[in-house]
Amino acid sequence: QKEVEQNSGPLSVPEGAIASLNCTYSDRGSQSFFWYRQYSGKSPELIMFIYSNGDKEDGRFTAQLNKASQYVSLLIRDSQPSDSATYLCAVFMDSNYQLIWGAGTKLIIKP
Amino acid sequence: DVKVTQSSRYLVKRTGEKVFLECVQDMDHENMFWYRQDPGLGLRLIYFSYDVKMKEKGDIPEGYSVSREKKERFSLILESASTNQTSMYLCASSTVSYGYTFGSGTRLTVV
Repeated sequence: QKEVEQNSGPLSVPEGAIASLNCTYSDRGSQSFFWYRQYSGKSPELIMFIYSNGDKEDGRFTAQLNKASQYVSLLIRDSQPSDSATYLCAVFMDSNYQLIWGAGTKLIIKP
Repeated sequence: DVKVTQSSRYLVKRTGEKVFLECVQDMDHENMFWYRQDPGLGLRLIYFSYDVKMKEKGDIPEGYSVSREKKERFSLILESASTNQTSMYLCASSTVSYGYTFGSGTRLTVV
């Protein structure tokens, strides 16, 4: 059973619209959640992290966490072609100090 | 900013060669990780280390070994390279409770 699930996509969104990326996780005790962006041929880079239920905003990015339903999402407002990338969700496991990774969602922003 | 430096961006090696991939971080992070990433398979953990001279097997350690003689350096060793080890190799470092910072990756081709 995969511990972190993401829809692989591709998710196609028109430029200027809101892109919504979702992630579910299995460990109810997880406390910390991360979103990474990975451009093709490049390494992942951290764009958002969230620890508490609710929303966390950073510029055009909003992370949303619902621990009761065990999902975390990433919203990208005013999507730009430069947002086209694969977005990886990761959940921190307190038991072994490791991040458990989803397989990633490929996002395509169409001009 | 934390920097994680991988010694080679692209590498071509012959089958049977012993291959060394070097990773150095400059922020005194305790934890270091080696992943490989292949299309459709996501990030797969090879080895990790929480301290100097300490190493733990990840999900796919077969055919690999590691060395951590100094806190800032974590080396991945392919004892006898094979074509199925052709992949993107990513090194990452972290503190206990924060997300990972990745190096730029090494694309290894074994011919």
